[in-house]
Amino acid sequence: GAGVSQTPSNKVTEKGKYVELRCDPISGHTALYWYRQSLGQGPEFLIYFQGTGAADDSGLPNDRFFAVRPEGSVSTLKIQRTERGDSAVYLCASRSGTKTGNEQFFGPGTRLTVL
Amino acid sequence: DQQVKQNSPSLSVQEGRISILNCDYTNSMFDYFLWYKKYPAEGPTFLISISSIKDKNEDGRFTVFLNKSAKHLSLHIVPSQPGDSAVYFCAASSNTGKLIFGQGTTLQVKP
Repeated sequence: GAGVSQTPSNKVTEKGKYVELRCDPISGHTALYWYRQSLGQGPEFLIYFQGTGAADDSGLPNDRFFAVRPEGSVSTLKIQRTERGDSAVYLCASRSGTKTGNEQFFGPGTRLTVL
Repeated sequence: DQQVKQNSPSLSVQEGRISILNCDYTNSMFDYFLWYKKYPAEGPTFLISISSIKDKNEDGRFTVFLNKSAKHLSLHIVPSQPGDSAVYFCAASSNTGKLIFGQGTTLQVKP
C-alpha cells in the first residue's frame, strides 16, 4: 500500500523567499505530524494535526512557519522569508487512531537548502 | 534541555553478536517509548515500542528494555546482521503523540 509521500524531495531557494512543502499521509490516518531534522540531530517536532485542526503547534520556531491541513488529509508546511538556518530535512509522519503509542509512519522527507 | 539522550554517537559490532543501543530520558510523564531506524535519504522506519507500564517488549531479533527508576531504555538486537547497519533513534511519546527524539546512534555491523 502507499506510504507517506512528500514533495518536493529537494528544494533549493534563496534567502528571503517563500516555500511550500507538501505531505500526503497514509489514507485514513487522522493524525499528522511535521518534524525538522538538522544534520547530526534527531528529528525535532514542529506541529501536530488531528483532523483539520492544529492540536499542538508548540514546535514551530517562529511566526515565519505555518502549516495547514484544510481537508484533514494533505498538509502543507509554509515558510516565509526563509533564512539559511531553515536549511534542514523536513519530515512528515502520520498515525492511525487516537492511541499515542501507535507508530508514526514517516515520509522520505524534503531536503530544504536556503542559499 | 534535551529530554531524550543517546550518549553514544556510534557503535560497531561483529555480525552474529549482540548490539545494545542505549537511551536516557528525563521526563517521567512520557507514556510510550519507540525505536526507529533510519537509512540515508529515507524517513525513519518504526522498529519496536514499549509502553511506560511495561519493562520489556520483544519482536523477533529486537528487544526493548525499560528501566523507569533509572529513566533508561535499551534496544537489543541479536543476532546482529550487516543489514542492521543504520542510524537508530530512540523517541519518547507525550500525551499528544508528538515524538521527542534522541540524537541517534550509528550502528555498523561488520561481516
